[in-house]
Amino acid sequence: GAVVSQHPSWVICKSGTSVKIECRSLDFQATTMFWYRQFPKKSLMLMATSNEGSKATYEQGVEKDKFLINHASLTLSTLTVTSAHPEDSSFYICSVPGTGGAGGANVLTFGAGSRLTVL
Amino acid sequence: QKEVEQDPGPLSVPEGAIVSLNCTYSNSAFQYFMWYRQYSRKGPELLMYTYSSGNKEDGRFTAQVDKSSKYISLFIRDSQPSDSATYLCAMFSGGSYIPTFGRGTSLIVHP
Repeated sequence: GAVVSQHPSWVICKSGTSVKIECRSLDFQATTMFWYRQFPKKSLMLMATSNEGSKATYEQGVEKDKFLINHASLTLSTLTVTSAHPEDSSFYICSVPGTGGAGGANVLTFGAGSRLTVL
Repeated sequence: QKEVEQDPGPLSVPEGAIVSLNCTYSNSAFQYFMWYRQYSRKGPELLMYTYSSGNKEDGRFTAQVDKSSKYISLFIRDSQPSDSATYLCAMFSGGSYIPTFGRGTSLIVHP
């Protein structure tokens, strides 16, 4: 499967500031990437589908102006949390669809995640 | 009723025990089934992937799918403290690579 690098792994910011999280597909050109949010002891919640060269597709209830997604190249997608507030504190994880190799077609490979703490 | 149900645990077992983790689901269109392992503060990593019903074995791990009962299981033999993690089941129907996840089961294997 793909190798996915996510940065930063942990970020602390003040309320009202913006934070950018990067997701890189190191060995696979990904036209699509997914962004998830995970609360403690909760499952993964799909936030949006990032599409290279076009607008992201957001899931219902996710504020597109709050969570800006840019997929400028086949190996990089970014999630920017704008004007962050304490309720935005969470674990954000990106993922890349599989390549149909030994792991099976269409299986997601995840980044290591980014923990955001907004003070 | 959620599409995928998974007991969050925690499930605490002694080292060497056989562990059984389970998920039930309601959508009969699901055909692809996966188990991910997630260590604390890390992203999920794929453990097992199966298509349709049947068993699949990989080392100490065995995945079972019973589509008639809409029930999937992951068995871990000779469990080790390093197996302590959250295990998430996931599944999707053909033509979609956006899986539906269970909420995860926290497993603790104590020495």
